[in-house]
Amino acid sequence: QKEVEQDPGPLSVPEGAIVSLNCTYSNSAFQYFMWYRQYSRKGPELLMYTYSSGNKEDGRFTAQVDKSSKYISLFIRDSQPSDSATYLCAVLNSNSGYALNFGKGTSLLVTP
Amino acid sequence: EAGVAQSPRYKIIEKRQSVAFWCNPISGHATLYWYQQILGQGPKLLIQFQNNGVVDDSQLPKDRFSAERLKGVDSTLKIQPAKLEDSAVYLCASSLGGWETQYFGPGTRLLVL
Repeated sequence: QKEVEQDPGPLSVPEGAIVSLNCTYSNSAFQYFMWYRQYSRKGPELLMYTYSSGNKEDGRFTAQVDKSSKYISLFIRDSQPSDSATYLCAVLNSNSGYALNFGKGTSLLVTP
Repeated sequence: EAGVAQSPRYKIIEKRQSVAFWCNPISGHATLYWYQQILGQGPKLLIQFQNNGVVDDSQLPKDRFSAERLKGVDSTLKIQPAKLEDSAVYLCASSLGGWETQYFGPGTRLLVL
């Protein structure tokens, strides 16, 4: 079983839609939960991170972590064509080094 | 602030040849990571350095891959000999240390024929 499972999509939505991206993870020891955005032929860039359970909001983006069900989500409100990218969830256990365990990534296309 | 620099950006080689990638992290970042990203997959850690020392190389195929970080700054990743399954994007990332945000370079896209 992979550490992090993520539906690769692709996901296509019209501009202005609410987007929901999700991952599940297997190890309850993970403490940090991150979402990276990766544009084509670029390196990933950090969007948001959450420590432990709860919600975090940053503009149009909201990250949620439910440790009881080992489920992490990213919501994008009022989606824009510029949001078209691959979204990677990642988890980290600071007690066993700081390497990120990534999901496969979900490809998102926002059409005008 | 300059980001993580990597070169070359693209490389095409034949199987059994050797290849090397270079990474220059963000100034002052103690931790440096090399990840391998195969098409359609998320990045997978190959090796992590803290300053000059190796923290984690458990997923590095040591029979063919090697990496070094001289003077705790730049790093090189080498593959010798390359196999077809090594075709991937090799990403370098750096962070201040600990769990701090990792900043990724643009990657080197390797195609092994």
